[in-house]
Amino acid sequence: DTEVTQTPKHLVMGMTNKKSLKCEQHMGHRAMYWYKQKAKKPPELMFVYSYEKLSINESVPSRFSPECPNSSLLNLHLHALQPEDSALYLCASSQELAGGPPDTQYFGPGTRLTVL
Amino acid sequence: AQSVAQPEDQVNVAEGNPLTVKCTYSVSGNPYLFWYVQYPNRGLQFLLKYITGDNLVKGSYGFEAEFNKSQTSFHLKKPSALVSDSALYFCAVRALVTGGYNKLIFGAGTRLAVHP
Repeated sequence: DTEVTQTPKHLVMGMTNKKSLKCEQHMGHRAMYWYKQKAKKPPELMFVYSYEKLSINESVPSRFSPECPNSSLLNLHLHALQPEDSALYLCASSQELAGGPPDTQYFGPGTRLTVL
Repeated sequence: AQSVAQPEDQVNVAEGNPLTVKCTYSVSGNPYLFWYVQYPNRGLQFLLKYITGDNLVKGSYGFEAEFNKSQTSFHLKKPSALVSDSALYFCAVRALVTGGYNKLIFGAGTRLAVHP
């Protein structure tokens, strides 16, 4: 099974709201990722967790706050977002992050976020 | 710096005809290359990857890709296109970042339209 699940599928929020995106995988993967994808564009990496520790932060604004409570879960906390943050947010996981050739990343279906 | 280029925004092909979606790359060190497909409002689905070994890589749904080191290309191919293959295709290359971590650099994407 190569399934990554994400909730919610759609989210509409105002600029003063606080919300969270959730991602879950049960493949035993130790690396988990957050990507942002604008329409008709490639995914852009935001954060990477390796063994539940933040390994890569691609200079993402602090209004996005990731959290990895355990090896199967990844959250993205959202606060004071801007309309330009509206996008598809994708979660992915892979077996391992460092120390050799890259493992395949498996993606979830994404959360479509609209900021009003 | 690692990069990947997909020179065609869109590829049109008739159902039953062979299809090719082009990808060229620029890396320092060994190239690790991936193809993903994305259907509307969905996450990315892994198709195939080249890590080492045979230059012809076979993947999911009848797709294959040919790794050509001299031309720095990794074109995606399928002998007989289906209408259901119509989607957005992304080529990606591995980039090493600080700490020895792997990340993927995606091309801009190519929209494949298969006409009945």
